[in-house]
Amino acid sequence: SAVISQKPSRDICQRGTSLTIQCQVDSQVTMMFWYRQQPGQSLTLIATANQGSEATYESGFVIDKFPISRPNLTFSTLTVSNMSPEDSSIYLCSAAGTETYEQYFGPGTRLTVT
Amino acid sequence: AQSVTQPDIHITVSEGASLELRCNYSYGATPYLFWYVQSPGQGLQLLLKYFSGDTLVQGIKGFEAEFKRSQSSFNLRKPSVHWSDAAEYFCAVGNTDKLIFGTGTRLQVFP
Repeated sequence: SAVISQKPSRDICQRGTSLTIQCQVDSQVTMMFWYRQQPGQSLTLIATANQGSEATYESGFVIDKFPISRPNLTFSTLTVSNMSPEDSSIYLCSAAGTETYEQYFGPGTRLTVT
Repeated sequence: AQSVTQPDIHITVSEGASLELRCNYSYGATPYLFWYVQSPGQGLQLLLKYFSGDTLVQGIKGFEAEFKRSQSSFNLRKPSVHWSDAAEYFCAVGNTDKLIFGTGTRLQVFP
């Protein structure tokens, strides 16, 4: 299994600003994923980030709002841009290898937009 | 359409009682199936997974789940619940590229 850390663990931001969330994995992984979990809700996949290629976004999520970087096999960032109160959520990253299909999750970043 | 249904939003059990959390899925191919647990303020922890083979799978913390293809179900069970099992439980279905999560079942455990 992989151990995943995220920074920051929580933040309170003003509307119109941007926040970049970092995700670090303790081993090299092929695929990393970013999810959003709105209060009391399930997880919704934002995008899949593979090293060396552009992130693949799910329906309803766009690169201008949620730019993602994946500079190497252990690290990724998600930026939440031009934030509004509707962006208040927990953002989780996960990682999966090529030979196993389970995903391992970070502890999440709790974002509050005021 | 691919989907996961967890019919029980909230379940309450007494400590020591048995537990079954239901999960039904709709998926075009043979799915990979997972159960995750999320404690308050925490990320998701993988409890168990089914890829193929024996349809009864054992996981961590004494949990098990049974895959029933004819019923499109993957129910989670535990014979004796501990107070520390109180958490949110998510069933997920997917493949190498994507997981689809159910809406979760919140488990409350009374002493």
